Amino acid sequence: SQELEQSPQSLIVQEGKNLTINCTSSKTLYGLYWYKQKYGEGLIFLMMLQKGGEEKSHEKITAKLDEKKQQSSLHITASQPSHAGIYLCGADRYGGSQGNLIFGKGTKLSVKP
Amino acid sequence: DGGITQSPKYLFRKEGQNVTLSCEQNLNHDAMYWYRQDPGQGLRLIYYSQIVNDFQKGDIAEGYSVSREKKESFPLTVTSAQKNPTAFYLCASKGGRAAGELFFGEGSRLTVL
Repeated sequence: SQELEQSPQSLIVQEGKNLTINCTSSKTLYGLYWYKQKYGEGLIFLMMLQKGGEEKSHEKITAKLDEKKQQSSLHITASQPSHAGIYLCGADRYGGSQGNLIFGKGTKLSVKP
Repeated sequence: DGGITQSPKYLFRKEGQNVTLSCEQNLNHDAMYWYRQDPGQGLRLIYYSQIVNDFQKGDIAEGYSVSREKKESFPLTVTSAQKNPTAFYLCASKGGRAAGELFFGEGSRLTVL
């Protein structure tokens, strides 16, 4: 079965610093999704990547999917306290579009003002 | 505004009691999902439903039951057969342009005493 491994598990950065979170799949990714979660709340969709080499940006967050489609990275530029939370990557397990996702265990980000 | 509403947000129950968590959406989405989140475990799929009157087991369905009598509603019952029911439960529905773009509720935290 497919598994997603995220690293690091947790991260503490000073406000203004850049950071990167990684998500590695045990199988080829047909769709990779990034979500953000504030503690005790639901998940908010950030972006989706499908094609090898694809890169998307939203405000100060950039996500990339490698050419082999087995690893994705999420990069935050000039971090702010509002970026704090848990970042989870998800993937469609059947390679289709059923929305039946598996998730990584998440990366907890803290941003020190 | 459209969205997913979960209730209650916090729930305490004695061991051996069945509990039903409510999930209602007004997004007109066909597919709905229940996930369980434990510290350090990420999200795990309990049940999902692609259409009214139909649902499928996820990875950890044992000790849970669902129904999908209406498009808007997908309640989850945590039965006394669930050995470790204390967890954070998240309901989601599928919509948006991206295949895996799930919309999540705010979650229900169940504590069994």
